[in-house]
Amino acid sequence: DAKTTQPTSMDCAEGRAANLPCNHSTISGNEYVYWYRQIHSQGPQYIIHGLKNNETNEMASLIITEDRKSSTLILPHATLRDTAVYYCIAVLFGNEKLTFGTGTRLTIIP
Amino acid sequence: DTAVSQTPKYLVTQMGNDKSIKCEQNLGHDTMYWYKQDSKKFLKIMFSYNNKELIINETVPNRFSPKSPDKAHLNLHINSLELGDSAVYFCASSQGRGLAGYEQYFGPGTRLTVT
Repeated sequence: DAKTTQPTSMDCAEGRAANLPCNHSTISGNEYVYWYRQIHSQGPQYIIHGLKNNETNEMASLIITEDRKSSTLILPHATLRDTAVYYCIAVLFGNEKLTFGTGTRLTIIP
Repeated sequence: DTAVSQTPKYLVTQMGNDKSIKCEQNLGHDTMYWYKQDSKKFLKIMFSYNNKELIINETVPNRFSPKSPDKAHLNLHINSLELGDSAVYFCASSQGRGLAGYEQYFGPGTRLTVT
């Protein structure tokens, strides 16, 4: 699976959109981009995933660049409960194994 | 209803003991996993079972033995516990193997402390 690079930490004001970048410049054509988050002391939680097209669900939007070398997770209206570590993971289609990196620690500021 | 449950939530034990952690999922998933999160917060996969068959076995000491009595349960037995085994252990499950939408659902974790 391709290596991903994320900023160590970010802050975002409550109510604003939180934009979390992820670089995956060596991603291959059949690797998906998955996002998970881990709220303090809880198990990781799936957020969203995509291959080429932008994706949106009730939690977030995922914007993948045309060359697929980077992506951005967008939490449209961040709340205090969104404070967590966010992991961007490149996963080869058919590979069950998630390899977690160090992620981005997002802090929502009241 | 809890989707993925683990027992116990906390486990404190002495070096050399043998202990088990239980995991159950009520999602009807075919695949289950064990992950270890150490004190530095790195989360690493240990094992994966699909329909009771072992499919992933990372470089884990053989003191760790997963057991899957049925596809809804995956237990983790640890022999001769060592200080370095102290960590939070997470169980997870997913719909199947090799599917595009195989997002994993994680349990709440078991915090193991070896003294």
